[in-house]
Amino acid sequence: RKEVEQDPGPFNVPEGATVAFNCTYSNSASQSFFWYRQDCRKEPKLLMSVYSSGNEDGRFTAQLNRASQYISLLIRDSKLSDSATYLCVVTFFNAGGTSYGKLTFGQGTILTVHP
Amino acid sequence: DGGITQSPKYLFRKEGQNVTLSCEQNLNHDAMYWYRQDPGQGLRLIYYSQIVNDFQKGDIAEGYSVSREKKESFPLTVTSAQKNPTAFYLCASSAMRNTEAFFGQGTRLTVV
Repeated sequence: RKEVEQDPGPFNVPEGATVAFNCTYSNSASQSFFWYRQDCRKEPKLLMSVYSSGNEDGRFTAQLNRASQYISLLIRDSKLSDSATYLCVVTFFNAGGTSYGKLTFGQGTILTVHP
Repeated sequence: DGGITQSPKYLFRKEGQNVTLSCEQNLNHDAMYWYRQDPGQGLRLIYYSQIVNDFQKGDIAEGYSVSREKKESFPLTVTSAQKNPTAFYLCASSAMRNTEAFFGQGTRLTVV
């Protein structure tokens, strides 16, 4: 089983739609969670961190379910500019509180927003 | 401006040659990483380093080598033992307690 798994999609939605992505992780010691966005032939860029209580940034909402070991990303009112690959990232801390340093990426979910 | 710089952006290698990809950061980050991305695929970890003069193998380290002689630099050598080196290589760095990672712009390596 992969450490981090995502539905690769592709998701093809019209402008204004709401779309949700899920990501599951296998290591219950995982502590930090992020969503990254990657445009075609570019480097990934941080979209948002995911906090235990859930967090929102404009049209984007991220949630964490530790019991079921998954994180989600909800995009409301989709824009053409949201078309990209969305990557979930999981890492974990050692007992000393510093990171093991191994960021693990899911394979990415492709989103295409059309007019 | 603080950031992470990879060079070159494009690199062509003949079969049997070793090549070294550069990664420099001025963010004062302790941790640095190398990832490989193939078309339509996610990122796979090659090597990572949490401190100077120390590094660990990732999931696909065979055919690659790294060094971490300085905090700001983490070069990756793609050796002739790497049988399928054509890919997009991404370097990243992060602070130890805030593990958000920042990426360089990547190097596209092509074997000719």
